Parts: sequence; structure tokens; C-alpha cells
Amino acid sequence: QQQVKQSPQSLIVQKGGISIINCAYENTAFDYFPWYQQFPGKGPALLIAIRPDVSEKKEGRFTISFNKSAKQFSLHIMDSQPGDSATYFCAASKTGANNLFFGTGTRLTVIP
Amino acid sequence: KAGVTQTPRYLIKTRGQQVTLSCSPISGHRSVSWYQQTPGQGLQFLFEYFSETQRNKGNFPGRFSGRQFSNSRSEMNVSTLELGDSALYLCASSEGQTYSGNTIYFGEGSWLTVV
Repeated sequence: QQQVKQSPQSLIVQKGGISIINCAYENTAFDYFPWYQQFPGKGPALLIAIRPDVSEKKEGRFTISFNKSAKQFSLHIMDSQPGDSATYFCAASKTGANNLFFGTGTRLTVIP
Repeated sequence: KAGVTQTPRYLIKTRGQQVTLSCSPISGHRSVSWYQQTPGQGLQFLFEYFSETQRNKGNFPGRFSGRQFSNSRSEMNVSTLELGDSALYLCASSEGQTYSGNTIYFGEGSWLTVV
């Protein structure tokens, strides 16, 4: 059972465009929502994370939007660059457990 | 500070054999978790060790086991390998608290191919 659902599976965006990846969860006990970026041959690296007490968090070109009532959160990459081409994973965890539940990943390709 | 180090990076095993993978966490980190990554199932949590004790376990058969040493280094073992065990095995370390938001850092993984 996939506890975090992620879409789309793949995404192609022009350089300078906005990339949007969506995730949804069911378990209301989740209280931490990180996004990881993974390049081929590398392990996932933390990109940005949010807690449900805020609706938005921005770090540089990366923004997380969080909708607690809908149990959804999304990653927006502004001014997408070819160097952003990677696989992005949303994840969720809950207090009391030090493990992450991952979405299935989105393969982002930014075309020059 | 050195990152999470995993060895070996690549290995090929035969069905029925066993394999041991090693992980050295970031200095000072006391929690080590293991994840399996496959194209079909994505990233799935295997287990977590903290202070040499398994603190949390995912939904994997008993063929998958692990341990943690007093220096926080960890090993995971898979016995009686099956073709479906072919995957990237990722080790992750964190300071260890179970409050949410405890940043988890991943190594580059060990690529296991079972033939």
C-alpha cells in the first residue's frame, strides 16, 4: 500500500519554465514532508522540507505548497534549469518514527 | 565532515547466496536506516538501528537482517538471495531523535545484482 502518492511519473519542461510535482497522503499522523532530489548513480539528497503548520515554504527557486485539509503537498521549481534534471521524491514521516515513506518519484527533464 | 559511506558500491551474486553490505554513518550520527530502491517498488524502508538496537522495521521478509556496532557503523545481510532482491540498497544516517524533521542523509548506495 503506497502511503504517499506522487504524480506525474515524468515531466518535461522548457528551460525557464515552472516544474510542478504533486503528492498526496492518507495518514493524518504524518507531520514532516521532505522532498529529495536524486541524480543518476547518487543517493537521494534533501532539497526542502515542510511541516503542516505552514502552508508554504520557499528556498531559492524551490517552493513547497501544503494543503492540510486536502492532504496534499507539491513542489514548484521556478525558472527550471537543465541542471535540475533529476528524479524527485516526495516523502512523509511522523513523530516517533525515524523512517520515511516515499512517493514513487518524478523524473524531471529540463530542455535547454 | 564525511558523508554516509557504503561499501561495496557494486556487486553481483548468484541466486541462493547471501550478501553483506556495510555502511558508515556521518560522524556523530547514531541512527542508521536502510532502504531498498527498485524501479517497480521505489524506495522502501527496511529497518532502522539506533544505539545497536533495531528500533523500527519495514515490511520485508526475515531474509533481510541488519545490525549496528558500537561505533554506529551498520551492516545489512540478505540471505538466500532471490532474483527480485536485485536493487540499489541505500543507507541513511541521522542524529537519531524520533521527532519529525530529523534530517536524514543518504549514501550513494550499493548496487546488488542477483543472477
